[in-house]
Amino acid sequence: QKEVEQNSGPLSVPEGAIASLNCTYSDRGSQSFFWYRQYSGKSPELIMFIYSNGDKEDGRFTAQLNKASQYVSLLIRDSQPSDSATYLCAVGSSGSARQLTFGSGTQLTVLP
Amino acid sequence: DAGVIQSPRHEVTEMGQEVTLRCKPISGHDYLFWYRQTMMRGLELLIYFNNNVPIDDSGMPEDRFSAKMPNASFSTLKIQPSEPRDSAVYFCASSVTGNYGYTFGSGTRLTVV
Repeated sequence: QKEVEQNSGPLSVPEGAIASLNCTYSDRGSQSFFWYRQYSGKSPELIMFIYSNGDKEDGRFTAQLNKASQYVSLLIRDSQPSDSATYLCAVGSSGSARQLTFGSGTQLTVLP
Repeated sequence: DAGVIQSPRHEVTEMGQEVTLRCKPISGHDYLFWYRQTMMRGLELLIYFNNNVPIDDSGMPEDRFSAKMPNASFSTLKIQPSEPRDSAVYFCASSVTGNYGYTFGSGTRLTVV
């Protein structure tokens, strides 16, 4: 059973702070990694993807990947109340990168 | 681009009834996925198609569930007969070759009473 683990939270940070979300995965052969944001009652929305070890930055978001440790993280700088949502980590299967396994999500609350 | 379109948005049905969920993927996308989301189990992949052909249906919970994709612009997920434990949000998503990220539809919230 290929697993993706996330701390369910809730994680609360003050406005303007850095939010750090973490994810570990069990499929050592996985090559593709994604972060989705899901607002309450809405569908998941892709915000970042990363395929190579290291950091990838996009605006206020930075994804970090360490394949040796089987660890993916998402940093949100200058957090805003509008960032309050559940963040889902998704990992592509080593058998078929098309098949994504999702973690259970981390609920983030940014306090004004 | 209208995105991935699902219907209905909400469905309430009685146990034993047949339920059909519908999905129109983004034009040009050649992969289509059906996921189910519950509080207990999170997002689970049920089945996915490539160029209208089912590739992996190992996530379909049992024979009561079936999915079809008769053409590139339409897919259905059918549950017959429905049971209360099928209550969940069912998402359809699509993607295109060369891009592994999915675009999700708005989902169908199914309640079986």
